[in-house]
Amino acid sequence: EAGVAQSPRYKIIEKRQSVAFWCNPISGHATLYWYQQILGQGPKLLIQFQNNGVVDDSQLPKDRFSAERLKGVDSTLKIQPAKLEDSAVYLCASSLVTGGHPYEQYFGPGTRLTVT
Amino acid sequence: TQLLEQSPQFLSIQEGENLTVYCNSSSVFSSLQWYRQEPGEGPVLLVTVVTGGEVKKLKRLTFQFGDARKDSSLHITAAQPGDTGLYLCAGERAGSYQLTFGKGTKLSVIP
Repeated sequence: EAGVAQSPRYKIIEKRQSVAFWCNPISGHATLYWYQQILGQGPKLLIQFQNNGVVDDSQLPKDRFSAERLKGVDSTLKIQPAKLEDSAVYLCASSLVTGGHPYEQYFGPGTRLTVT
Repeated sequence: TQLLEQSPQFLSIQEGENLTVYCNSSSVFSSLQWYRQEPGEGPVLLVTVVTGGEVKKLKRLTFQFGDARKDSSLHITAAQPGDTGLYLCAGERAGSYQLTFGKGTKLSVIP
């Protein structure tokens, strides 16, 4: 079974530029998550999708970040304009949410963003 | 806000030594997951514990969920250089389908 795919793996941009990240979840996984992981920290949830609907975007800086999941499969996360403090690894994860436990998330390799 | 505190933050040991890392919270979780993350990669799920007091073993790794489901530990026996990485614990609030992560324990095993 293929895992969560992300691209690009690395991106370097200047502040005030825009950038987009792409994620393809594990086939059949209805729930998709975007996380931001700053160096030395654990992942921080940015947004959670259930199929193509947003479940939770309370920690997404909506003045500059946006995300969509058209057709309930692939997802894109965009930053416009980028700031220096956006330098981080952006992780995508997916899960197969069922009525029973255990509940588990599976992560992609991440995109390392450097804003100069 | 539910916080997961992991300790120690950094750990450097010699190959063959044993170690334990801890994950503590004041909140109850319906399940808790442990991940290992290597540089440049995403977290890889190691184990999920669900029942209070549960113990799971994965080769040389032993995971325990506290009786009250507020804390967990990971014990590694005879550590090897391949165990090097960032160990993250993450807890799920019942029915949320979300994980709250700790900051992780960065383990270095020296040959």
